[in-house]
Amino acid sequence: RKEVEQDPGPFNVPEGATVAFNCTYSNSASQSFFWYRQDCRKEPKLLMSVYSSGNEDGRFTAQLNRASQYISLLIRDSKLSDSATYLCAVNPAGYKLVFGAGTILRVKS
Amino acid sequence: DTEVTQTPKHLVMGMTNKKSLKCEQHMGHRAMYWYKQKAKKPPELMFVYSYEKLSINESVPSRFSPECPNSSLLNLHLHALQPEDSALYLCASSQAGLIPYEQYFGPGTRLTVT
Repeated sequence: RKEVEQDPGPFNVPEGATVAFNCTYSNSASQSFFWYRQDCRKEPKLLMSVYSSGNEDGRFTAQLNRASQYISLLIRDSKLSDSATYLCAVNPAGYKLVFGAGTILRVKS
Repeated sequence: DTEVTQTPKHLVMGMTNKKSLKCEQHMGHRAMYWYKQKAKKPPELMFVYSYEKLSINESVPSRFSPECPNSSLLNLHLHALQPEDSALYLCASSQAGLIPYEQYFGPGTRLTVT
């Protein structure tokens, strides 16, 4: 079983749609969790950290479910500019960060 | 507008060459990272420095040699690489000793080994 797993997609959605991605992790001792966005041929950019209480930043909401060992990202009112690959990342211990394979989102007009 | 910079942006090198990748961060971070990313794959951790000391080496071949000259600089020395080492090499930095370790990436160096 991979340490971090994501549905690779692609998710093709119309503008204005709500879309959700899930990511599961295998190490129950994992300490912190993140969502990154990566555009084609660019570096990953930190979208948000994910906290146990859940957190929201504008149209983006992240949730953590420790019991089921998954994190989620919800994007409301999708924009064309949201088209990208969304990577979840898990910190199993220390400074190590393990990335999922990424989920491709395509928002179409 | 990135506060983590990397040079060069692109590098083509032969298998017998020696070259170095450079990374600089202006965020006051004390942890710095090297990642390798192949096309359509996620970044894979190679090395971590915390407080200028190597703290993680993910069993990377010795043809990759990291160096951290000071708290804001990180180098990756390359020697006798193979064509399969062609990839995007990403540098990242984060606060040290504080969870969560939010890592911020530089734009990367796209390396081609011929």
